[in-house]
Amino acid sequence: GAVVSQHPSRVICKSGTSVKIECRSLDFQATTMFWYRQFPKQSLMLMATSNEGSKATYEQGVEKDKFLINHASLTLSTLTVTSAHPEDSSFYICSARDGAGGANEQFFGPGTRLTVL
Amino acid sequence: LAKTTQPISMDSYEGQEVNITCSHNNIATNDYITWYQQFPSQGPRFIIQGYKTKVTNEVASLFIPADRKSSTLSLPRVSLSDTAVYYCLVGALLRGGYQKVTFGIGTKLQVIP
Repeated sequence: GAVVSQHPSRVICKSGTSVKIECRSLDFQATTMFWYRQFPKQSLMLMATSNEGSKATYEQGVEKDKFLINHASLTLSTLTVTSAHPEDSSFYICSARDGAGGANEQFFGPGTRLTVL
Repeated sequence: LAKTTQPISMDSYEGQEVNITCSHNNIATNDYITWYQQFPSQGPRFIIQGYKTKVTNEVASLFIPADRKSSTLSLPRVSLSDTAVYYCLVGALLRGGYQKVTFGIGTKLQVIP
């Protein structure tokens, strides 16, 4: 099946710094990628839909100026957590769909564990 | 987006068949039903997807009644490695072919030796 990677797998940063997380579709092109956040023992919460070459669509309650999303190519989307604070500590997961594939499924990345001190 | 309801947790012994039922009373005509598996600190993994009747693949079966208001994921002869959270998702295929979905709370399956 299609593979989605994320980098880094885990990151620890100081409060007030910015962190960039990359999401790549390794063997397919993804015009649309999704970013999720998951707190401990909770479900995944959709943060935004990332469309290649256009602005991301954010879910209600998600600050677009804090969580900057860029989808510059068909294989790469980035999420930048700006001025991170301890409450932003979470597990961030991206997903992508193979637009050329026949199956209607999303392929998820392995996730990025962000810890803000 | 159709809301889904699943049991919060289930226990099963190794080797048994496990059936997890998901309710989605407000499912729309264009909605597909998809099940994902998630292990701790990993991204969800696709298990199976269906629209109606029965779908079977190498790891699971999905049963969908005619009214499509529920679906049942069937895992044959579970092993300890099947301990995970299982999510039932319902969503439509949007233009461009992607499916925007909302994750529910999921069902935590604990397989007991």
